[in-house]
Amino acid sequence: RKEVEQDPGPFNVPEGATVAFNCTYSNSASQSFFWYRQDCRKEPKLLMSVYSSGNEDGRFTAQLNRASQYISLLIRDSKLSDSATYLCVVRQLMGSGGYQKVTFGIGTKLQVIP
Amino acid sequence: DTGVSQDPRHKITKRGQNVTFRCDPISEHNRLYWYRQTLGQGPEFLTYFQNEAQLEKSRLLSDRFSAERPKGSFSTLEIQRTEQGDSAMYLCASSLRQGHLNEQFFGPGTRLTVL
Repeated sequence: RKEVEQDPGPFNVPEGATVAFNCTYSNSASQSFFWYRQDCRKEPKLLMSVYSSGNEDGRFTAQLNRASQYISLLIRDSKLSDSATYLCVVRQLMGSGGYQKVTFGIGTKLQVIP
Repeated sequence: DTGVSQDPRHKITKRGQNVTFRCDPISEHNRLYWYRQTLGQGPEFLTYFQNEAQLEKSRLLSDRFSAERPKGSFSTLEIQRTEQGDSAMYLCASSLRQGHLNEQFFGPGTRLTVL
């Protein structure tokens, strides 16, 4: 089983639609969770951190379910500019030296259609 | 531009040649990471530095790969005797140790093509 699993998509949705992505992780000791956005042939950029209580940033809502070991990203009122690959990222603190093992998912591709 | 920079942006080489990539992190960031990304995959961790110390290396990093960060600032990643399977985007990221939510900032990457 992969450490971080995502549906690669693509998700093709019309403008204005609501779309949700899920990501599951295998290591219950994982501590920090993030969603990154990656545009075609560009570097990943942080979209939002995922907090235990869930968090919202404009049209984006992230949630964490530790019991089921998954995180989700909800995008409301999709814009053409939301078209990108969304990477799920899981971090686990290793030992006492402060090193954090960072594992990326394969990414979920979103295409918002006019 | 005060972000992470990488050089070169593109490198085409013949199989068997050595290549070296450079990463300049954000100046106050003490943590530096190297990743490799192939088409359709997420970034895969290669190695990690805290200041000048290389604290972690992935099993993906064969003995043909070596990374350094001699003064705790810029870092280099060298691949010796390149193989076609080394063709990928090599991404560098840096972060500041500031709690468990410290963000990694990525550079634009170096795209390597091995012919």
